[in-house]
Amino acid sequence: DAGVTQSPTHLIKTRGQQVTLRCSPKSGHDTVSWYQQALGQGPQFIFQYYEEEERQRGNFPDRFSGHQFPNYSSELNVNALLLGDSALYLCASSLRNAPLHFGNGTRLTVT
Amino acid sequence: EDQVTQSPEALRLQEGESSSLNCSYTVSGLRGLFWYRQDPGKGPEFLFTLYSAGEEKEKERLKATLTKKESFLHITAPKPEDSATYLCAVQANAGGTSYGKLTFGQGTILTVHP
Repeated sequence: DAGVTQSPTHLIKTRGQQVTLRCSPKSGHDTVSWYQQALGQGPQFIFQYYEEEERQRGNFPDRFSGHQFPNYSSELNVNALLLGDSALYLCASSLRNAPLHFGNGTRLTVT
Repeated sequence: EDQVTQSPEALRLQEGESSSLNCSYTVSGLRGLFWYRQDPGKGPEFLFTLYSAGEEKEKERLKATLTKKESFLHITAPKPEDSATYLCAVQANAGGTSYGKLTFGQGTILTVHP
């Protein structure tokens, strides 16, 4: 049974560029959340998708946007990248309010 | 605003030396408190959920407890393979909806020496 899968695993972008990260949830899960984890810190909530709609959002600017597809997979888009956007981006899935299951993340480096 | 503070930031133990990690929290109505383990280069791995004060959960050498203001993760006779970062997170009641973000602490880095 495949868990949460994220792609790519690593990514290097230049300041000002745009990036798209992808996530496939664990089989049977219908809710996807995205978190940003800076080095040495705990994950910070970006937003959560359920039934293809953004249901809750953390304190992140509009440069961060997302999408959930009918098959429950999800994308995270970040526009106008800043150096401070360098972090590990984690996708987590769950069935409604059950505990989150995390993927291994995408390491984004902005130069 | 929900807040989670974990202590200590780092803990070094000898194999077999039991200890506890602390998670202090403030939340506007607790729906659940979660413990995760995170290995380097990996995503967090779910360990426990606690819902109400007085609740305890156990898994192998780990035991999690909950009060109204804090949670403890007790590690009994740890082994080197228990070395990891342990993360605590809270989920607030979201007005009856099923959606609820997790607010994480910064984690405790545990190193167990053989």
